[in-house]
Amino acid sequence: NAGVMQNPRHLVRRRGQEARLRCSPMKGHSHVYWYRQLPEEGLKFMVYLQKENIIDESGMPKERFSAEFPKEGPSILRIQQVVRGDSAAYFCASSPPSSFGVGYTFGSGTRLTVV
Amino acid sequence: GNSVTQMEGPVTLSEEAFLTINCTYTATGYPSLFWYVQYPGEGLQLLLKATKADDKGSNKGFEATYRKETTSFHLEKGSVQVSDSAVYFCALGPSNSNSGYALNFGKGTSLLVTP
Repeated sequence: NAGVMQNPRHLVRRRGQEARLRCSPMKGHSHVYWYRQLPEEGLKFMVYLQKENIIDESGMPKERFSAEFPKEGPSILRIQQVVRGDSAAYFCASSPPSSFGVGYTFGSGTRLTVV
Repeated sequence: GNSVTQMEGPVTLSEEAFLTINCTYTATGYPSLFWYVQYPGEGLQLLLKATKADDKGSNKGFEATYRKETTSFHLEKGSVQVSDSAVYFCALGPSNSNSGYALNFGKGTSLLVTP
C-alpha cells in the first residue's frame, strides 16, 4: 500500500519558468492538501481539494499559483513565472473522507529551487 | 484565530536524556492536537495525536497530554536515542467544520541527540 507519492523530489527552475508539482494520494484517500515549507519556518497551508473541487484555497497566493485534482490522475500544484521567493519544500498530504481532525498522511515533498 | 506556539530550538541532548518540547495553542472549540516528526530530507510523519481534553497520545516512547486548562500539548520522552534526531512539529486541527480544514503548524523544534 503505497503512501502519498510526490514527484519530482527535486525541481530546479529558472526565474520565469513554470513549475508543476504532482501528488498522488494514498489509495482510498479522496482529500488532498498542499503545504509549503519555507526555510526555517513551519508548514503553511495552501489549498485543500477533493476530486474536481477546490474546497479551501485561503492559503494560496493570489497570483501565479493554481491547483487541481482531476477525476483521474494526480493532484497538480502549478506555479507560473517562478521567482526566487518560491524556492521552498512543497508537501502534499491526503486523508480519507470524514477524516475531520484525524490527521493526514504526508508525502516526502518536492523541493523547488529557483535559480 | 487558531495558532500554535512551540519552543524554539535547536535542542541538543545526550543519549538517554529526558526530552520535553513545549507546545501551547490558542483555539476556539475543541480541536485535535498532533505531533509530527520530520527526519532529514523526508516528509512529515504523524508521531501521535490527541482528540479531546485529558487524552494522552503515545508512540515510540513519546507522549503528550492534551491539557485544556493550560492549553498545552508538550511532547516528552524519558530516554532519547540518536535516532530521534529530527525536527518536531506541533499542530492544531480545526475546531469544527466552520474552522476550515487546515492543520496549523508550529515552526518546528530541531532536536539533536549526541552519543
